[in-house]
Amino acid sequence: GIQVEQSPPDLILQEGANSTLRCNFSDSVNNLQWFHQNPWGQLINLFYIPSGTKQNGRLSATTVATERYSLLYISSSQTTDSGVYFCAASTGTASKLTFGTGTRLQVTL
Amino acid sequence: DAGVTQSPTHLIKTRGQHVTLRCSPISGHKSVSWYQQVLGQGPQFIFQYYEKEERGRGNFPDRFSARQFPNYSSELNVNALLLGDSALYLCASSARVGYTFGSGTRLTVV
Repeated sequence: GIQVEQSPPDLILQEGANSTLRCNFSDSVNNLQWFHQNPWGQLINLFYIPSGTKQNGRLSATTVATERYSLLYISSSQTTDSGVYFCAASTGTASKLTFGTGTRLQVTL
Repeated sequence: DAGVTQSPTHLIKTRGQHVTLRCSPISGHKSVSWYQQVLGQGPQFIFQYYEKEERGRGNFPDRFSARQFPNYSSELNVNALLLGDSALYLCASSARVGYTFGSGTRLTVV
């Protein structure tokens, strides 16, 4: 099945800093999503982005499907951005999402 | 509109017992999927149901089963609980594209 790798595994930022999270995937995808998991375990959908670029406030994402990677940009980070960011993908007729191991982000004052 | 709702939110069971977790999808969503997330890892796919039929099954033992009802809600059943079944169980619903997850059920097996 598809492999999904995320980097970096851990990231510590000061409030106001910018960051880029990367997701590499091993096969063509028909679904790629970025999620933020808060400390209570809720997985919040940030972007559905199998290709192209999207922006939502301080967050934006780009997926280059031909090169099999996606990037999540966080600008002017806030303490509420802390948590684990997951990239998840599915391929072909497969119904399941395969998750990466996540990037744990801590934003400090 | 309500999102994906799961119940219960927390549960403590003893080894060998049986557990039933419940999920109600977003209104209009006909697909429901179940995922298991153990501490420190990403969620792992267990089942997907669409229109009451199983559409996918992950690498989990037969102790795990699920079903979807005519109103598209779903149950995940786990028999003969093991300590290793302690995890956050997440339900996701989908219409055509993308998945929306519920808040999960945190199961502790003692």
